[in-house]
This record gives sequence, structure tokens and C-alpha cells, in this order.
Amino acid sequence: GNSVTQMEGPVTLSEEAFLTINCTYTATGYPSLFWYVQYPGEGLQLLLKATKADDKGSNKGFEATYRKETTSFHLEKGSVQVSDSAVYFCALMNTGNQFYFGTGTSLTVIP
Amino acid sequence: NAGVTQTPKFQVLKTGQSMTLQCAQDMNHNSMYWYRQDPGMGLRLIYYSASEGTTDKGEVPNGYNVSRLNKREFSLRLESAAPSQTSVYFCASRVQGAQETQYFGPGTRLLVL
Repeated sequence: GNSVTQMEGPVTLSEEAFLTINCTYTATGYPSLFWYVQYPGEGLQLLLKATKADDKGSNKGFEATYRKETTSFHLEKGSVQVSDSAVYFCALMNTGNQFYFGTGTSLTVIP
Repeated sequence: NAGVTQTPKFQVLKTGQSMTLQCAQDMNHNSMYWYRQDPGMGLRLIYYSASEGTTDKGEVPNGYNVSRLNKREFSLRLESAAPSQTSVYFCASRVQGAQETQYFGPGTRLLVL
């Protein structure tokens, strides 16, 4: 079946620290992979995506590379800001119409 | 262009009461989705509609019904609310193809006493 596993939170970092949030997936075939971000009191917003192996998605300084050999899509940012504090969700979409989400990782960045 | 809108924003129900959560999108998307979000569980799919006139069950459909009223609107109904349905409910619509992604509404927070 399809599933997404992401690292447990919460994660607390100081401003300008390096961020990694791990995400691994289980799927048949060649899914598309996504990172969504949820700010307090809001719905999810697409942060970045990758649709095939070795693709790198990037947006707002965040990056993630689709690694088929390790079934991973880890989220990274070189220097986090207070405004990056949010909950981050890894997700996949396989054949068909359903998306599968991880449990979310809460990030707090302190000045 | 409002994107995805949901009503109400917040609702308190007593066990056994019924209610309908409304969702509308103005982006002309074919597919629409209902999720629930619970602490430590991420988002779980309740129902989805791949196109106007079709609906399919997701991971947790029990206790819910849906109606795809037209291309814009996709409602979620709780016929007899239970405390286990206390959650935050999100509606989403999907754009397919090269720009593949889902757009989410702001959510409805439901408390069942």
C-alpha cells in the first residue's frame, strides 16, 4: 500500500540553524512527492514538490530531493527564520486520485 | 478568486445531532476532497470526488456522507454526531497535470459533546 513516515516532532531550532525533516515513503510505482506547510489556524499550503526520481523541488529556501533508491524526500533549509515556524507535512500521490500524508512535524524557530 | 472556502469555521454539536459542512471552490477543479486532522494522526481522507457526479470513500468514511452538488461544491454531512468526530475538517480541491497539487480551505473546527 501507500504510506508516508516523517520524523516525530516537535523540532525547536535557533534562528539561522540548519533544518532537516526526514520523510520516507512506501508506494508501488512512481508516486509524486510533496511537502506542505501549515501555519497556525490555516489550511495546508504547497511548499514544494517533485514528480520523478532525482528531481529536486525548491521554494522559499527549502529543498527536497526525490530519492527512489532510499524511498526518501527529506526537507532541508540552510538557515531557518522565525517566520518558518509551522507544521510541515510530507505527502505522496500515486496512481488514482488519493493523497497520503505523514503525521506532520512541528517546527519552532526561536530568535 | 477566493480559492477554497469552508463554512462554518467553528461548530459545537451535541451527540446525536446532525450537521453539514459546506465547501466551495472557484478554480474550476474537477477533484475535491474532505480530510480530518487529529493530533498525531496527520490528515486522513474521509471522502473524495474525482469529478462532478462521482464520490468515493477514503480511509475513514464511517459516520459521514458527502454530496457533490455541482462542480464548485462538495458538502460533508454528519448524520448523528459522535464525540469521536471531534476534529478539524479540511476541504481541498485538486489541479491535475503539470501543476499537480491540492488547494486547502481554512478548515472547520468541530466539537462534539
